[in-house]
Amino acid sequence: NAGVTQTPKFQVLKTGQSMTLQCAQDMNHEYMSWYRQDPGMGLRLIHYSVGAGITDQGEVPNGYNVSRSTTEDFPLRLLSAAPSQTSVYFCASSTQGATEAFFGQGTRLTVV
Amino acid sequence: GQQVMQIPQYQHVQEGEDFTTYCNSSTTLSNIQWYKQRPGGHPVFLIQLVKSGEVKKQKRLTFQFGEAKKNSSLHITATQTTDVGTYFCAGKGSNTGKLIFGQGTTLQVKP
Repeated sequence: NAGVTQTPKFQVLKTGQSMTLQCAQDMNHEYMSWYRQDPGMGLRLIHYSVGAGITDQGEVPNGYNVSRSTTEDFPLRLLSAAPSQTSVYFCASSTQGATEAFFGQGTRLTVV
Repeated sequence: GQQVMQIPQYQHVQEGEDFTTYCNSSTTLSNIQWYKQRPGGHPVFLIQLVKSGEVKKQKRLTFQFGEAKKNSSLHITATQTTDVGTYFCAGKGSNTGKLIFGQGTTLQVKP
């Protein structure tokens, strides 16, 4: 059982570069979300999706794009990386009901 | 928008002492969830509370959901070194599918 898989685990980008953080889940969960974790700030919701083809903004969406073409995948795109986007990124999934969220192992991103 | 505040940010205790973290939401919640994150790890689900005034126990951990469904607490009795980590509450609003996390409380336990 893979659960929620995030790739890559570590990434260093230069300011202005673009990249996509990958997230895949094999539990047939409808709900997927992206969070960033910064010291003292907890987990802040970036974008979320309640099903394929449906996405919505979270607390801190600026600078990030998402799409949900399949139930399994929910990639997070940084179009033009900035040092302020240096963070640890977590992808999570859950069933549509109010149930527990399963988290991936995280991606540690550094923008220089 | 919905905000979830959690205090304290850090807590250092001697092994065997009790620990409590508090969570407050700016809006009424449909449920509240608690997660634990070990250093270097990812958040792991502990429990979910749904009913007003609900109290649940998991061994030495006691979770409460306020009567107004806007606050919650986690109490650990007689802490152990294995309790070290960051504890997060997360609230799901009544009219939104968003799961919003508090800032977390990092617990250090001295043996």
